[in-house]
Amino acid sequence: AQRVTQPEKLLSVFKGAPVELKCNYSYSGSPELFWYVQYSRQRLQLLLRHISRESIKGFTADLNKGETSFHLKKPFAQEEDSAMYYCALSGWGLTGGGNKLTFGTGTQLKVEL
Amino acid sequence: NAGVTQTPKFQVLKTGQSMTLQCAQDMNHEYMSWYRQDPGMGLRLIHYSVGAGITDQGEVPNGYNVSRSTTEDFPLRLLSAAPSQTSVYFCASSTTGARSYEQYFGPGTRLTVT
Repeated sequence: AQRVTQPEKLLSVFKGAPVELKCNYSYSGSPELFWYVQYSRQRLQLLLRHISRESIKGFTADLNKGETSFHLKKPFAQEEDSAMYYCALSGWGLTGGGNKLTFGTGTQLKVEL
Repeated sequence: NAGVTQTPKFQVLKTGQSMTLQCAQDMNHEYMSWYRQDPGMGLRLIHYSVGAGITDQGEVPNGYNVSRSTTEDFPLRLLSAAPSQTSVYFCASSTTGARSYEQYFGPGTRLTVT
């Protein structure tokens, strides 16, 4: 079974401070991992995926297979980063194909001035 | 290009009533899915579909039915609403064939069952 764990419900940091949102996973195969973000009054949207190895809005995430982690990091938090962040793992559905996501419980990031 | 649309935005039901949450997408995506979002539990998969005529259960399917007669539409039916189904429901779609594809989410339907 696939599982995603986000240990922090709420993370509060000051503007300009570094941010690290933790995500650990369990999956028997080769994982495909994502971070999705939900800003206030907006729909859930993709922030980044590990396969792209990209930096989006200053955020990066590195897949560590040894520690089964995919932590989201940003060196300097901005006020507009305040949002709910979900880590997600993609596995194949029983009928094959598709993109069956398993989400963590989410971390609310609050950036204070 | 409207993306993923959901109706209604808000709904209040009484216990035992039935209703259908509508979801449509105009991106020609094969894969569509329904999630429910509850505080402290994240998003949990209810049902999903990899194409017209093909559906499968997710993590929490009990009390919900789906069908997929067209590529565009994927309605979610509550057969006999219960207070435990009070939640925010999200529909999502994506292309198929690779697990790295982005899923596109609708704006959500906030359902209250009294």
